[in-house]
Amino acid sequence: DTGVSQDPRHKITKRGQNVTFRCDPISEHNRLYWYRQTLGQGPEFLTYFQNEAQLEKSRLLSDRFSAERPKGSFSTLEIQRTEQGDSAMYLCASSLLELFFGEGSRLTVL
Amino acid sequence: GNSVTQMEGPVTLSEEAFLTINCTYTATGYPSLFWYVQYPGEGLQLLLKATKADDKGSNKGFEATYRKETTSFHLEKGSVQVSDSAVYFCALSVNRDDKIIFGKGTRLHILP
Repeated sequence: DTGVSQDPRHKITKRGQNVTFRCDPISEHNRLYWYRQTLGQGPEFLTYFQNEAQLEKSRLLSDRFSAERPKGSFSTLEIQRTEQGDSAMYLCASSLLELFFGEGSRLTVL
Repeated sequence: GNSVTQMEGPVTLSEEAFLTINCTYTATGYPSLFWYVQYPGEGLQLLLKATKADDKGSNKGFEATYRKETTSFHLEKGSVQVSDSAVYFCALSVNRDDKIIFGKGTRLHILP
């Protein structure tokens, strides 16, 4: 499968714990995006990278959130000290000319 | 700012009915417009797009025309099928390759 893959697909954690999500984009895609989607809402932009450079961060991305793409290939999104409001589906997408989405990582914070 | 407003769902239709899902946008500059679809248990997929005024995007029997004068990009299909049941998102990007801004989505149920 050569699509965008995300891991883990589901994560249940207790409030205050740290979690990390990984995204492997389509190999030749230089842009990588993170979005968050809650029930009944459209995806909300969080941040994006061109190669290894993080070009834009949304105001939604509090200082507890950090994203990296160290070698311009895979990316990680870490959430520190999780809160119940962080429960959502975290979507990764990559693009060359068109955006391709992964199936998402669902986070549940108890 | 840049935003997309689409009709609220759920929309329930019988098979072979005509479908319209309304979408209007607000944007600085000249946006590209998109419709994405999310089938149950699957990731978001691009359904169709239009990059300039009066362009018509089409795919799988769905169509949408970029109307600059009414800032709209309504999704239409002449005869829906049960397999079209999904959530549909209208979206825009202002600069080529820029981030995409999504509407809240419209859930569509097609009854056999």
